[in-house]
Amino acid sequence: SQTIHQWPATLVQPVGSPLSLECTVEGTSNPNLYWYRQAAGRGLQLLFYSVGIGQISSEVPQNLSASRPQDRQFILSSKKLLLSDSGFYLCAWSTTLNYGYTFGSGTRLTVV
Amino acid sequence: AQTVTQSQPEMSVQEAETVTLSCTYDTSENNYYLFWYKQPPSRQMILVIRQEAYKQQNATENRFSVNFQKAAKSFSLKISDSQLGDTAMYFCAFLGDSNYQLIWGAGTKLIIKP
Repeated sequence: SQTIHQWPATLVQPVGSPLSLECTVEGTSNPNLYWYRQAAGRGLQLLFYSVGIGQISSEVPQNLSASRPQDRQFILSSKKLLLSDSGFYLCAWSTTLNYGYTFGSGTRLTVV
Repeated sequence: AQTVTQSQPEMSVQEAETVTLSCTYDTSENNYYLFWYKQPPSRQMILVIRQEAYKQQNATENRFSVNFQKAAKSFSLKISDSQLGDTAMYFCAFLGDSNYQLIWGAGTKLIIKP
């Protein structure tokens, strides 16, 4: 069966420090992968999506970047975190788009 | 551009009651897909139910059912015999047939009271 792993679950980082969040999918090949951010009490904001290795589309210009070094691995990074980067980050995957997305358990990032 | 509107920021009902969450959307596409996602306090995003626009029959999943009105562009979620575990944020989402991206509503916070 397909599963999605996202880590870490919680992260507290100082302003100006780097960031690396990782997401991996098992049990499927060539998934579409997504990074979302959710501010407290708000809806989801699509940050990046990828339809294949090395293919990244950015939806929101910002302090973050994404990479897909392997078919089932999606990484969200930052060279220098800002306070405004705090939030809840969700990774998701889909293959047959019509069936909707499957989400990871999320990472709660607090930048202090 | 497609948009999704959830007009109820928060709702609360007593346990065992039936509750309906509203969702309207705007699109010029004929083929598309609609979803309801649940986000409990753990913040895990869980797919509750999906509907294909070309299907006239309303989707059902146990206690969850939808009222899909294509002409009115309405996609409401009905939860029957509500349970305490149904307490969560509920998000309505739209996916165009030619699009990779889900378009999300702002969410409805549902509280089930004992």
